[in-house]
Parts: sequence; C-alpha cells; structure tokens
Amino acid sequence: EVQLVESGGALTKPGGSLRLSCAASGFTFSETWMSWVRQGSGKGLEWVGRIKRKADGEIKDYAAPVRGRFTISRDDSESMLYLQMNNLKMEDTAVYFCVTGLGKGDLDYWGQGTLVTVSS
Amino acid sequence: EIVLTQSPDSLALSLGERATINCKTSQSVLHSSNNMYALNWFRQKSGQPPELLIYWANNRESGVPDRFSGSGSGTDFTLTISSLQAEDVAVYYCHQFDNTPPTFGQGTRVEIK
Repeated sequence: EVQLVESGGALTKPGGSLRLSCAASGFTFSETWMSWVRQGSGKGLEWVGRIKRKADGEIKDYAAPVRGRFTISRDDSESMLYLQMNNLKMEDTAVYFCVTGLGKGDLDYWGQGTLVTVSS
Repeated sequence: EIVLTQSPDSLALSLGERATINCKTSQSVLHSSNNMYALNWFRQKSGQPPELLIYWANNRESGVPDRFSGSGSGTDFTLTISSLQAEDVAVYYCHQFDNTPPTFGQGTRVEIK
C-alpha cells in the first residue's frame, strides 16, 4: 500500500524558515518523480514543485511564487522527500501535500498534508 | 502556463441526478509520448486530501464507482457523475500534467439540493 506521511509543519514568522519531510513507503521511491502541492484555507490546489528521479537527472522544477526561496530534495536510501522553505511569506500559509505519480499522471497518490502557518 | 477553467463553480442537485463538470484548457494537453490527453480529475472531500478519480482523461481509477466517467478531447473535457450520491459531496478539480508547471482548475463544489 502506498503511504506518504508529511511532517514538519509549524507556525513561523514572516522571513523564517521551515523544512518539511515526507516519508514514503509501498512503492519504489527511487524510481518515481515526487511533488509538493499546497492548499490555502478554503482555496484551490497549487503546485509547488517537483523533483525527478536520479535516472532523469534529479531535475527540479518550481512554481514561480516559490522559486529561489524553496528547495526540494530527496534521499532515496531513506525514501524521504524534503521541502526546505526559506524567507517565508504570509501567502505561503497552507497545507502542504507530498504527492507521487505512479503511471496515471504525476499526482496519483497524496499524503494527508502538513499545515504551515506564517504569521507575525 | 496552461490555464484550466472549470464550469460551473458550484452546482446543487438532487440525489440520483446527473452532474456534469466541464474543464477547458487554454491549449492542447495531448501528450506526445502516448497520444493521450494528460488531463486528470480529482475529488476532494472536506478535510481530506484529493483523490484521483479519472486519469488520462477517460480512465477510471481502480475502486472508483462506475457512475464516474471522464470524456473529452482537444481543449474541452468533462467529468460526469451519472447518478449523484450523498457521498459525492465534494470539490472536484481537473488537472493537466502535459506541460510544466502542472496546473489545476479552480474547482467545482458539488452539493445535494
């Protein structure tokens, strides 16, 4: 069974940093592209970024609002995905989902999400 | 960036009625690698993460009831719920993954009248 478990969400001040983690199991993590998607309270879904597998060069892509502030990384030996978020802004407040694609698209399976709140 | 526009924003129907949600893409999402449309549909119930309903425009995900179907081509796609059930109350999103960045429609809220 595919499982994605996020952690690391917290309340932080504008300008602060946070690191989110995602523990993956139930599939061959090293062979999949991994993504982060966020959702503000009462809002729609917003793609944050993606990291491809090593065989595809571990290329990282980011949404324009987070480019230069957020960094995605992965540890295939531990089946872990990370999102380092720096210089956080109030508009980054959202639930952050760890997501993977296993052949039916790029976002087949979703974690439960972790809440990031940026407030002074 | 490909823009996805869903219609309507919300709909309220009686149990057993047919629900139709449309998704228009600002450009083609025909995937060159397999000549299929890179367009998926998700359902998000309150307080839960999205769940995949339909993939590659018209394929039903395993475990999804057969009252759900996807169709469309070009830049116009449709999610149909043939007979609305109480458990279908949710927000529905279309999503394209043909082009980076992947994008979502704004969502359609489905309620029971």
